[in-house]
Amino acid sequence: AQRVTQPEKLLSVFKGAPVELKCNYSYSGSPELFWYVQYSRQRLQLLLRHISRESIKGFTADLNKGETSFHLKKPFAQEEDSAMYYCALKGAGGTSYGKLTFGQGTILTVHP
Amino acid sequence: DGGITQSPKYLFRKEGQNVTLSCEQNLNHDAMYWYRQDPGQGLRLIYYSQIVNDFQKGDIAEGYSVSREKKESFPLTVTSAQKNPTAFYLCASSIGDRGAYEQYFGPGTRLTVT
Repeated sequence: AQRVTQPEKLLSVFKGAPVELKCNYSYSGSPELFWYVQYSRQRLQLLLRHISRESIKGFTADLNKGETSFHLKKPFAQEEDSAMYYCALKGAGGTSYGKLTFGQGTILTVHP
Repeated sequence: DGGITQSPKYLFRKEGQNVTLSCEQNLNHDAMYWYRQDPGQGLRLIYYSQIVNDFQKGDIAEGYSVSREKKESFPLTVTSAQKNPTAFYLCASSIGDRGAYEQYFGPGTRLTVT
C-alpha cells in the first residue's frame, strides 16, 4: 500500500525566513512524487514534480529514496506563499498503478 | 473557456436522499477522478476512470457510485448509504492515467447533508 505523511498540519514563518514542508512516503516501488498547492479561493494546482527537477516560485524538492522523503523547501518565504500544500505520490505498478495518493496537507502561513 | 467545471458550488440535502454531483471537462482528457477533502485528512480518492465506460474504486468508494458514459463527464452520486457525506468534493482530470501527468482540478462542490 502507498502512503504519504505530512507531519505538520500548520506551519508559520516570517517573511524572508527559510521554509521547509516535510513529506514522507511509503511505497515499495519507484514512486513519482508531486507537490500541489491551493491558494485562498483558488483551485488546487500542481506546484512541482520530482522528475522535472525544477524550481517553481523559488520552491525546490528533492526525492530522497533512502529517507523516503520529498520535502519542499524555499530559502526566503514570501507572504504570497501562504497556502495549503499537499504532497502526493503516484504509484507505478500493481494495484497502485496510476493512483495518486495525497498527504494530509500543511497550511503554510507567512507573516509580514 | 477551457477547463474542468463542477456544479453546483454548494449543495444541501436531507439525510436519506441520494445526490449527484456534476463534473465536466473540455480538455479532452482521458482520465477523471473524484476526491473528498476533509480537514486534517487531506484528499482521499473515491473513484477514478481511465477511459469511457470504465472506472475503478478508490480508497473510500463505499456509499458512492459513478458513471462514465461520455469522455467529458464523470458524475458522482452520493447515496444514502454513505455514512458521513458532508464534505468538500473535488473532481480532477488528466491526459491519461499512465505516466507523470498533471491532474487538473475543478473548483469543488461543498455538500451538506442534514
